[in-house]
Amino acid sequence: AQSVTQLGSHVSVSEGALVLLRCNYSSSVPPYLFWYVQYPNQGLQLLLKYTSAATLVKGINGFEAEFKKSETSFHLTKPSAHMSDAAEYFCAVSYLSGSARQLTFGSGTQLTVLP
Amino acid sequence: KAGVTQTPRYLIKTRGQQVTLSCSPISGHRSVSWYQQTPGQGLQFLFEYFSETQRNKGNFPGRFSGRQFSNSRSEMNVSTLELGDSALYLCASSLGTSGGLTDTQYFGPGTRLTVL
Repeated sequence: AQSVTQLGSHVSVSEGALVLLRCNYSSSVPPYLFWYVQYPNQGLQLLLKYTSAATLVKGINGFEAEFKKSETSFHLTKPSAHMSDAAEYFCAVSYLSGSARQLTFGSGTQLTVLP
Repeated sequence: KAGVTQTPRYLIKTRGQQVTLSCSPISGHRSVSWYQQTPGQGLQFLFEYFSETQRNKGNFPGRFSGRQFSNSRSEMNVSTLELGDSALYLCASSLGTSGGLTDTQYFGPGTRLTVL
């Protein structure tokens, strides 16, 4: 089975500072990777996804992620944090389990934005 | 286009009871997946339905079951509830196209189940 590891269950940044949320994947085949965000009392919302078309993927709300095969990483970044970015972020990998598609999530990173 | 809807949003049950949760996918989506989210275990995959057939199943006991109707709406049922079943249950829909590894799953707001 494939998996993703999110380093840092909690990350705090000041408003206006760089946001960096880390995700490393474990995969023996080219992975399909996703970043989702979850606001309190809500479901998950897709930020961006890597489908092998381009290594730098731009998403919504100013977020982007770079796929680095040599580092098996897919870290999420945003140049300038906003208070509204405070939420929990999940990295996920999509792969075939038998003949069915499986989406496996990381443990999540809670982002706090300090004024 | 309306998003994924889940009913009810909140539910309180006691141990030993059973519960049914409902999910209405985005129009045109044929795949519905269910996840359990808890602080300790995170997001765990329960099962996926596509065209009324269970296509994939996670590692949960048989007390957890589901079904999908011809209009793609899905229900999940948990029988003989245990305290540990308290969780946020999320439903996600997608097009479900064959080999859809890059298919985006769209999530509903979840049903918060509390077992007393």
